[in-house]
Amino acid sequence: DAGITQSPRHKVTETGTPVTLRCHQTENHRYMYWYRQDPGHGLRLIHYSYGVKDTDKGEVSDGYSVSRSKTEDFLLTLESATSSQTSVYFCAISDTGTSEWETQYFGPGTRLLVL
Amino acid sequence: AQSVAQPEDQVNVAEGNPLTVKCTYSVSGNPYLFWYVQYPNRGLQFLLKYITGDNLVKGSYGFEAEFNKSQTSFHLKKPSALVSDSALYFCAVRDFSGAGSYQLTFGKGTKLSVIP
Repeated sequence: DAGITQSPRHKVTETGTPVTLRCHQTENHRYMYWYRQDPGHGLRLIHYSYGVKDTDKGEVSDGYSVSRSKTEDFLLTLESATSSQTSVYFCAISDTGTSEWETQYFGPGTRLLVL
Repeated sequence: AQSVAQPEDQVNVAEGNPLTVKCTYSVSGNPYLFWYVQYPNRGLQFLLKYITGDNLVKGSYGFEAEFNKSQTSFHLKKPSALVSDSALYFCAVRDFSGAGSYQLTFGKGTKLSVIP
């Protein structure tokens, strides 16, 4: 999985609690992304980062925030979890300046269940 | 806005037969096109991409895809299917046209089942 780890890999939480998911990369890539995967929807972009402290919203950003204080770490926070945020969350990375810079590589995913 | 359509939720093919997984796209500028594969309980694995150049792109595990600009299609193909090819396949597009251009838009996925 291209030097990308996600933690936790599985989490069960209750509605209304905050949840933080972590993505860690060892590739020193500039760009990092958070997606959610739901049946019938494919993958949808939540937020992405184009550098340390530089982030932007994706297609489905409501209810989520992100932070990137180091190149290698990208955190996704569900401020107050809801059942509609039950999903599988994937982190991805990509780089610039190489022939591979257009390609995103994905982590193993975090399965989140909100009760 | 960019979009991707995978018209088939499921494709069944007999082992040894050729397979095709269909993808059509819509972008306002020039497309960057990708195919990914997902095995159960795993992340997405990159298969191949079209950026520019030859319309026939070869990728991992014997897969190839043909970019057809007039039909706005990027179908995934393999001459001889293996049971181990059974997985979920995603087509994705990126519109290289400025703001937000780092965003990949994915299709909903096609489940490929190769029957022994």
